[in-house]
Amino acid sequence: DQQVKQNSPSLSVQEGRISILNCDYTNSMFDYFLWYKKYPAEGPTFLISISSIKDKNEDGRFTVFLNKSAKHLSLHIVPSQPGDSAVYFCAASTPTGANNLFFGTGTRLTVIP
Amino acid sequence: DAGVTQSPTHLIKTRGQQVTLRCSPKSGHDTVSWYQQALGQGPQFIFQYYEEEERQRGNFPDRFSGHQFPNYSSELNVNALLLGDSALYLCASSLVVVAGDTQYFGPGTRLTVL
Repeated sequence: DQQVKQNSPSLSVQEGRISILNCDYTNSMFDYFLWYKKYPAEGPTFLISISSIKDKNEDGRFTVFLNKSAKHLSLHIVPSQPGDSAVYFCAASTPTGANNLFFGTGTRLTVIP
Repeated sequence: DAGVTQSPTHLIKTRGQQVTLRCSPKSGHDTVSWYQQALGQGPQFIFQYYEEEERQRGNFPDRFSGHQFPNYSSELNVNALLLGDSALYLCASSLVVVAGDTQYFGPGTRLTVL
């Protein structure tokens, strides 16, 4: 049972444009959400997170939006750069399992120069 | 500041064998979690160790076991290997006392079972 879903396996974006990566979840107990970026032959690298008490969190070029009623979050990257090309994973955790992360299947982002 | 390290990088085993994977957490971290990432999938939580005890466990059989040492490093053991155990095994470290704390991942160990 996949509790965190990333329905787009891949996304291609021109350099300088906005990249929008989407994530849906089914467990209403999730209260903390994270985005990780993964390059080949490396482990996932933390990118940005958001608590369920917020609906937006921004860090430089990266912004995460959370819509709790829709059980949906998105990651916006503006402007996109070729170095952003990687696989992006959405992850979530519950209050009782703060360190037990549930991951989506990932979206491969390709930024075209 | 050394990040999370894992060894070995790659491993090839045959069905029925046993394997041990090792992880050293990021400096200052006391909690280690293990994840299995099958091809084309996201990482799946196996278990977490804190104070040398298994604190949480995901939906994995007892063939998967672990250990944490006093220096916070950890081992993942898998017995009676199956073909389906072929995956990238990721170790992540964090500070258990910080709710929702970010987990930092190592590069992983690629296990191939033939």
